[in-house]
Amino acid sequence: EIVMTQSPATLSVSPGERATLSCRASQSISGNLAWYQQKHGQAPRLLIYGASTRATGIPARFSGSGSGTEFTLTISSLQSEDFAVYYCQQYNNWPPFTFGPGTKVDIE
Amino acid sequence: EVQLVESGGGLVQPGGSLRLSCAASGFTFSGYAMNWVRQAPGKGLEWVSYISFSSSASYYADSVKGRFTVSRDNAKNSLYLQMNSLRAEDTAIYYCAGAFHGRFDPWGQGTLVTVSS
Repeated sequence: EIVMTQSPATLSVSPGERATLSCRASQSISGNLAWYQQKHGQAPRLLIYGASTRATGIPARFSGSGSGTEFTLTISSLQSEDFAVYYCQQYNNWPPFTFGPGTKVDIE
Repeated sequence: EVQLVESGGGLVQPGGSLRLSCAASGFTFSGYAMNWVRQAPGKGLEWVSYISFSSSASYYADSVKGRFTVSRDNAKNSLYLQMNSLRAEDTAIYYCAGAFHGRFDPWGQGTLVTVSS
């Protein structure tokens, strides 16, 4: 089973600032990585797939990069609606599909 | 509008059973593999089960294998999860989610399952 880790656990950022979230896989997953955003009390929403492709309707301030075992989600200028928990998920070797533990982005 | 709506959650005693349903609309359900994903209170996301578009393949997390069964009825645009021998640790919000080339999209709003005496 591929284990996903994320850092930091919590990221405190001011509106308008840049946020950089990291995700690491226990073995290479090529570019088969997705990022999800989950706001409090809501279902997760797909943001990025294929490590760097934005899903339909996702603003350009969200970008993904990386391959192999190291991945990054960058939010270029945080808006109030971006404060949420972000999960990475690998779909290279499955089953099982595995998620990271999440990074909470909150207001500094 | 693409929509997934889960139902069937509730309070059940340990050892009991529950059947969750997920109704799909706004997209070609029969062309999508589907998943169940759960989230325990205050915790992260855990994949539970997968079923292929034709029901020819299904997979389960080790934590539910032998107790949960996933199925679908493409004629009714519906996905199901039969949960038996429920344990306290199965308490969670259960989401259905489409699977397209491995990524999970769309997601339903979730249904809460509470296992407690």
